[in-house]
Amino acid sequence: EAGVVQSPRYKIIEKKQPVAFWCNPISGHNTLYWYLQNLGQGPELLIRYENEEAVDDSQLPKDRFSAERLKGVDSTLKIQPAELGDSAVYLCASSPIGGDGGELFFGEGSRLTVL
Amino acid sequence: AQSVSQHNHHVILSEAASLELGCNYSYGGTVNLFWYVQYPGQHLQLLLKYFSGDPLVKGIKGFEAEFIKSKFSFNLRKPSVQWSDTAEYFCAVRDNNAGNMLTFGGGTRLMVKP
Repeated sequence: EAGVVQSPRYKIIEKKQPVAFWCNPISGHNTLYWYLQNLGQGPELLIRYENEEAVDDSQLPKDRFSAERLKGVDSTLKIQPAELGDSAVYLCASSPIGGDGGELFFGEGSRLTVL
Repeated sequence: AQSVSQHNHHVILSEAASLELGCNYSYGGTVNLFWYVQYPGQHLQLLLKYFSGDPLVKGIKGFEAEFIKSKFSFNLRKPSVQWSDTAEYFCAVRDNNAGNMLTFGGGTRLMVKP
């Protein structure tokens, strides 16, 4: 079974440039999460989707961050414009609806460096 | 909001030493508890979880964790570590009274010397 796929793995941009990250969850997983992981810290939830609906986006900085999951499968997270403080790893995770509700399956992450 | 504290940021052990990593969460209610592990260059993966029942839970690779409700703790243990246990370990709490949100601790980086 294929895992959660994220791209790109690494991205280096200059501040004020836009950047986008893509995530393809495990087939059949209806719930998709985007997490932010700063160096030396644990993951922090940015947004959670149930199918194509964003059910929790309270931690997403909406002035510069946006996300979409148009067909309820893969998802894109965008930052525009990027700031120096956005340098971090952006993690995507998925889980099945009606599963034990706990285990998240993570991708390998997209590491962003803003210069 | 729920918060999760992991007391040790870095731990260095020799092979065969015993391991205990602390994890405390901020307040009670109905919670589910997890330990995730991230091996170098790999993605986060589940090590073990507690939902209910026996507060001593066993996970993969010889790890276990004990839920002590009165102490709001869920410490991870292993009697004898191996070099391959070198990784970063994250405790996480899912608060069933707060939208089922999963909150992670800051992580503990374990290095096992051969």
